[in-house]
Amino acid sequence: DTAVSQTPKYLVTQMGNDKSIKCEQNLGHDTMYWYKQDSKKFLKIMFSYNNKELIINETVPNRFSPKSPDKAHLNLHINSLELGDSAVYFCASSPDMGAGGTEAFFGQGTRLTVV
Amino acid sequence: GIQVEQSPPDLILQEGANSTLRCNFSDSVNNLQWFHQNPWGQLINLFYIPSGTKQNGRLSATTVATERYSLLYISSSQTTDSGVYFCAASGSARQLTFGSGTQLTVLP
Repeated sequence: DTAVSQTPKYLVTQMGNDKSIKCEQNLGHDTMYWYKQDSKKFLKIMFSYNNKELIINETVPNRFSPKSPDKAHLNLHINSLELGDSAVYFCASSPDMGAGGTEAFFGQGTRLTVV
Repeated sequence: GIQVEQSPPDLILQEGANSTLRCNFSDSVNNLQWFHQNPWGQLINLFYIPSGTKQNGRLSATTVATERYSLLYISSSQTTDSGVYFCAASGSARQLTFGSGTQLTVLP
């Protein structure tokens, strides 16, 4: 059973389109995250949700909007895609990290290419 | 927030060699993890090690929290060990901050 799963794995789309990436975890974790990995492989946090509530929102264009329908799901919607949005997006989950440090697990990533 | 630095940035080894990767962090941590990103892009959990020493087969890790560093040891390296190794840490903030990674290439 996959612990953290993302769909799709690959996404190729034209500039200006709107797209969504879905993420689900079956670990019973309270906290979910979205990370972006750029072309130099640097990983940076975008958003963090704890029990469906947004707790971290780094400096990300407001074209990016996370949505958490329940604590097992955290989807990422991107409006008006730009070339610079091309990257690999990772979803992750952990037990409540605010409770003193807990192990995070990552999905397999979604490679987004904007043409 | 916490800063995480990894060294070396690149490492090329012959199969069978041993190596040590280092991670320095700027503040006290309540979470420190090592990951391997394989050539297919997957982030594989290697160790959850905010302090102490752990071993898993040919890999082991040590974190000295008081001195703010962690080390990942790879012994008898194999070509399948190739990829990027990331250290990530969290302190008071509820997020993991990643280092820039060590690109490891193991030659046959």
